[in-house]
Amino acid sequence: QVTLRESGPALVKPTQTLTLTCTFSGFSLSTSGMCVSWIRQPPGKALEWLAVIDWDDDKYYSTSLKTRLTISKDTSKNQVVLTMTKMDPVDTATYYCARIYGGVGSGPVDYWGQGSLVTVSS
Amino acid sequence: QSVLTQPPSVSGAPGQRVTISCTGTSSNIGAGYDVHWYQQLPGTAPKLLIYGNSNRPSGVPDRFSGSKSGTSASLAITGLQAEDEADYYCQSYDTSLSGRYVFGTGTKVTVL
Repeated sequence: QVTLRESGPALVKPTQTLTLTCTFSGFSLSTSGMCVSWIRQPPGKALEWLAVIDWDDDKYYSTSLKTRLTISKDTSKNQVVLTMTKMDPVDTATYYCARIYGGVGSGPVDYWGQGSLVTVSS
Repeated sequence: QSVLTQPPSVSGAPGQRVTISCTGTSSNIGAGYDVHWYQQLPGTAPKLLIYGNSNRPSGVPDRFSGSKSGTSASLAITGLQAEDEADYYCQSYDTSLSGRYVFGTGTKVTVL
């Protein structure tokens, strides 16, 4: 059974750095074709893809946010971490971690975490 | 920012058929990348509905079907049911400066 769970602060102040952890089970990020991605959704708005890391430790980022994002993995702990610098109120959103199987550009997002609401406010 | 365009809303009576379009460009759908569809019920995480343009994961009713042609894709729901009231998103892969994975603008399906 594949599960993913996001953890991190519910509230961050403007200019701070956000660190979110995705802890997953039911699969290994060392398996060929396996990827974990971060996707966010501002309240009442559409989904926005942020970053992905694959089994080979290749990393890809949203063009508009790449200067602020860092994604990393700890395969032994079954965790993927996303950091986002210089947080702003417009970054208020539910942040999802999700699994993609089939390699970057191939498979769909087949499993999603429940999401973690992050509010940016002073 | 969404690169794939969907109608903001569609509606239909129970039992009717509705379709949702997803319009992309030559750098995503038109480049041959697969289109996937997700259903998001209120207050929940999205769920994979259609993958690889027209394939249903196990457990998804055959009332849901997908197709792709050129730079666009479509999701059809036949025999609309009250439980289908949700937001629907298409998703593909993009090779332009927009950045890798792209989602649609989202469509709210209302069952009248």
